[in-house]
Order: sequence, then C-alpha cells, then structure tokens
Amino acid sequence: QVNLLQSRAALVKPGASVKLSCKASGYTFTDYYIHWVKQSHGKSLEWIGYINPNSGYTNYNEKFKSKATLTVDKSTNTAYMELSRLTSEDSATYYCTREEDYVFDYWGQGVMVTVSS
Amino acid sequence: DIQMTQSPASLSASLEEIVTITCQPSQGIGNYLSWYQQKLGKSPQLLIHSATSLADGVPSRFSGSRSGTQYSLKINRLQVEDTGIYYCLQISSTPWTFGGGTKLELK
Repeated sequence: QVNLLQSRAALVKPGASVKLSCKASGYTFTDYYIHWVKQSHGKSLEWIGYINPNSGYTNYNEKFKSKATLTVDKSTNTAYMELSRLTSEDSATYYCTREEDYVFDYWGQGVMVTVSS
Repeated sequence: DIQMTQSPASLSASLEEIVTITCQPSQGIGNYLSWYQQKLGKSPQLLIHSATSLADGVPSRFSGSRSGTQYSLKINRLQVEDTGIYYCLQISSTPWTFGGGTKLELK
C-alpha cells in the first residue's frame, strides 16, 4: 500500500533553516511527482511546488521560490523540502503529496513547523 | 495566478440533507478541478477529480458538476462522517491554487 511518511514536528529559531522529509513506500518512487503544500493554522492550502523524482526537475510557486528547495534521494525513496530564513510566517503544517495525472491521490500525515525563539 | 472563490465559507446542515459547495475560478480552467475533504487534524483526501469523476472508494453520495465556469460539489443525504472542511483545487495552470475552504458542520 502506498504510504508517505513525513518527518517529526520541528521547532526552529527565526532565521534558521529546516529540512523536511517525506519517505515514500508501496510504489515506484520515480514514477510519480511529489508536491508540497502549506497549511497555516486555521487557513486554506497553498501549493508550494513539485519535484519529478526521476529527473530532479522542479516547478515552484513563485511565492515560495526563495523560501523552499525541493530535492529527492532516489536511493532511499525520500523527498525533501528545505525551508530557509524562517520567520513566523513559515509556521505551518506542511504536507507532501503524490500526484497522478493532476490528482493528489496520496498524502503524507503532515509535519508542523513552529518558528519561535 | 488563478483565484478560486469558494462558497459558502461555512455551512451547517442536517443529517440526510443535500449540501452544495461551489467554486468559481477567476479564469477558465476546463475540467482541471478536483475536490478534497479534510477532517480535523488529518490530511486532505481526494473526493472528485476532473471536475466530475468520483475517486476510488469515495461514497456515491458525493458528486461533482460543472455549469459554465462554476464548479460544484454536492453531497446527497449528508452523513455524520461528512463533517470537515472541503477544498477545491485548480490544476489548469501553475501555481495550482486552492479555494478558501468550506467548513461543513452538522446542525
């Protein structure tokens, strides 16, 4: 069965960076794009961008281009998102999700990032 | 960016009632629209894709439709387990954008 297992919650200081992970299992990792979605507390969802695990090609929402960096490690079937220069605006829950034909069919459980000194 | 105007923002309905949620994109998106349900503390789950296609395993009381440039999610005979927040998502052009969400509660 398909599963996307995300890393634990993170508490990080303002100005620091954090690298979130999303470990895929139950399918061929390189066959499906991985997307990342942000959900601020009590708010709607924002699409951050996606990565093609096979080629490493990325496509970012312009809003997150200087904030997020998407990478993969094919040897461990893991996708990563690094968030840099964190501020309180980056405190949110972040989801990874698998895309099949423009549909997000499987989601990770989400990881809460809290930016606080 | 394509803005997705979703309404209503919140909705209270009775068991077995019919519920309709709509999304209006700021420009044409064809059938590149999907609907997701998010229960409290959980990840969103796919309900409808391609505007009208029911996702695998989703109860048939859920349906999606399109009338011109307006998209709707309809729940026939509302059940207790249908409470949560519903989002539309356009995947016609990047950046992909979600509607603001509709919080559905039982009356």
